[in-house]
Amino acid sequence: NAGVTQTPKFQVLKTGQSMTLQCAQDMNHEYMSWYRQDPGMGLRLIHYSVGAGITDQGEVPNGYNVSRSTTEDFPLRLLSAAPSQTSVYFCASSYSGTGPSTNEKLFFGSGTQLSVL
Amino acid sequence: DQQVKQNSPSLSVQEGRISILNCDYTNSMFDYFLWYKKYPAEGPTFLISISSIKDKNEDGRFTVFLNKSAKHLSLHIVPSQPGDSAVYFCAASETDGLTFGKGTHLIIQP
Repeated sequence: NAGVTQTPKFQVLKTGQSMTLQCAQDMNHEYMSWYRQDPGMGLRLIHYSVGAGITDQGEVPNGYNVSRSTTEDFPLRLLSAAPSQTSVYFCASSYSGTGPSTNEKLFFGSGTQLSVL
Repeated sequence: DQQVKQNSPSLSVQEGRISILNCDYTNSMFDYFLWYKKYPAEGPTFLISISSIKDKNEDGRFTVFLNKSAKHLSLHIVPSQPGDSAVYFCAASETDGLTFGKGTHLIIQP
């Protein structure tokens, strides 16, 4: 049972480069989301999706794009990487399309550590 | 403005004793509160939750207490074990996702 799978685990980019962080879940979860974790800042919500074809912005969406063409996949795109985007990125999912606004717990991937030089 | 606050970056507790992790929040519209545990190089994992209509929820060694009037919740771990050493995040739910605190690094000493 794979759960939430994130690739790559580590990535180094130069300022201005673009890349896509991959996230896939095999639990048939409707809700998927991306968080970033910075030292001393906890986890902050970037973008989320309550089902295929539906996405919305979280707390810190600038510089990131997402799409949800299938239930399983929720890639995060960095359009033009900046040093401020150096962080650990977590993808998370939950069963209900209403997301974790009730008692739905989130299942997290193991993270992608991104460094932008 | 931080809506979920964990004011203790770290906490050291002796094995076998009680660990108490605290969390304060400012938004009275939060309806669920959750605790997540995170080991290094891994994603957070769900530990325990509590609805805003309750004041206590227990699961084995873990108990969460909620004081709505004070906008405060706490996680009690009894007895503390070496495997409990991790970062603990308090989180509150709203319509689009979870709002997390900054985390408390719990260190269980032998």
